[in-house]
Order: sequence, then structure tokens, then C-alpha cells
Amino acid sequence: KNEVEQSPQNLTAQEGEFITINCSYSVGISALHWLQQHPGGGIVSLFMLSSGKKKHGRLIATINIQEKHSSLHITASHPRDSAVYICAVRETSGSRLTFGEGTQLTVNP
Amino acid sequence: EAEVAQSPRYKITEKSQAVAFWCDPISGHATLYWYRQILGQGPELLVQFQDESVVDDSQLPKDRFSAERLKGVDSTLKIQPAELGDSAMYLCASGNTGRKEETQYFGPGTRLLVL
Repeated sequence: KNEVEQSPQNLTAQEGEFITINCSYSVGISALHWLQQHPGGGIVSLFMLSSGKKKHGRLIATINIQEKHSSLHITASHPRDSAVYICAVRETSGSRLTFGEGTQLTVNP
Repeated sequence: EAEVAQSPRYKITEKSQAVAFWCDPISGHATLYWYRQILGQGPELLVQFQDESVVDDSQLPKDRFSAERLKGVDSTLKIQPAELGDSAMYLCASGNTGRKEETQYFGPGTRLLVL
């Protein structure tokens, strides 16, 4: 069992839909990151969370430390949101990031 | 805006050959990471540097992989000899604190194909 699990693995949506990507982890963490990876391979950091909720534009990230669960929401989705979204956690016991396998999002016009 | 630079972007090689990848982190960033990402999976840390020192190389296959950051700035990752299973995206990232709340900035990656 992976320490970081994401669901769904693949998600296809129509433009304008509200999207939720989930991340569950099994270890104690000091921070959780949401990352976006475009087809060319480059990765962009979207959020870093240790508690509560953060919002940036149409993106919202929440974390529940007790339940060891985080969600990334995209409101009014757009085809340019199509990418792989990766959840990564930094364990309290170390400095290394452990990554989930990613969620491939495709938003159709 | 400052970016992490990597070269080459793509590399095709035959097995048993040597390959090398280069990374130039954002200026002033003390922490540098090399990750390997196999298609369909999340990145996996290979090595972490703090300035010129290796902080974590526990997942680096040291029989064939080596990494250096001699002056604490740019870094080179080498594979010798390359194997078919080394085909992957090699990502470099840098951060400016090394603390647990650090944000990592990723380069565009080097996509390696071993034939």
C-alpha cells in the first residue's frame, strides 16, 4: 500500500464543471503539497498546506489532519486545467517528500 | 521570473552507455533535489543536497548513479552504465530554506530513453 494515495487516477470533465481530486496518506506529516504537471513534464507547486484551507483563483485546497485527507477543488473548470495533479507529503520524521501517483485530469470544451 | 534550468531536455542512449544530466537551481537556493519519475507514477527522490553536501541519497542506486554539486550551485547526475529500466523523466528541484515548510521549484525535466 502506498503511503500517499490519490483518487481518481483519471478524471474527464466538461468545461465549467466543479472538480474534486482526493489525497489520503497514512503517515504523520508536517506539510502537504499539491502540484500540477503539464504534458511537457514541468511541475508547478500549487499549494502547501499544514492545516485548514487555501484558495488561489479557481483552485481550493483543504486538509483534514485528523482524517489524513486532503482535497483539491477546481471551480468552473477550463480545458487549460488539463494536467496531472500530484499530491505530496512531507513526513514529520524527515525532510523527504513522498508523492502520490497523480490524477490525470482532462477537461473537454 | 527565476527558473530551475535543466539540460538536455531529451536524451536517447543505448544501454551500457554513460549519460549525464545538468541542473542549475534558482540563484540563492541552498537545497537541490534530483527526482526520477517513471511514466504513470509520482516522482521519487534520488538525492537531496544542502549546499554542496548530500543530505539524503538513501534511494540512489549507487552502483550506477552518482550526483555531485561541487560548488553548491549547479549539479550533475550521472548514470553509468545506463539500463533499460532507467528510462524515465529526471526532475531537478530547488528550495531556499531546507526547512520542512519549504516550497520546491521544479525544472522542466530531462526525459531519458534507454534503448
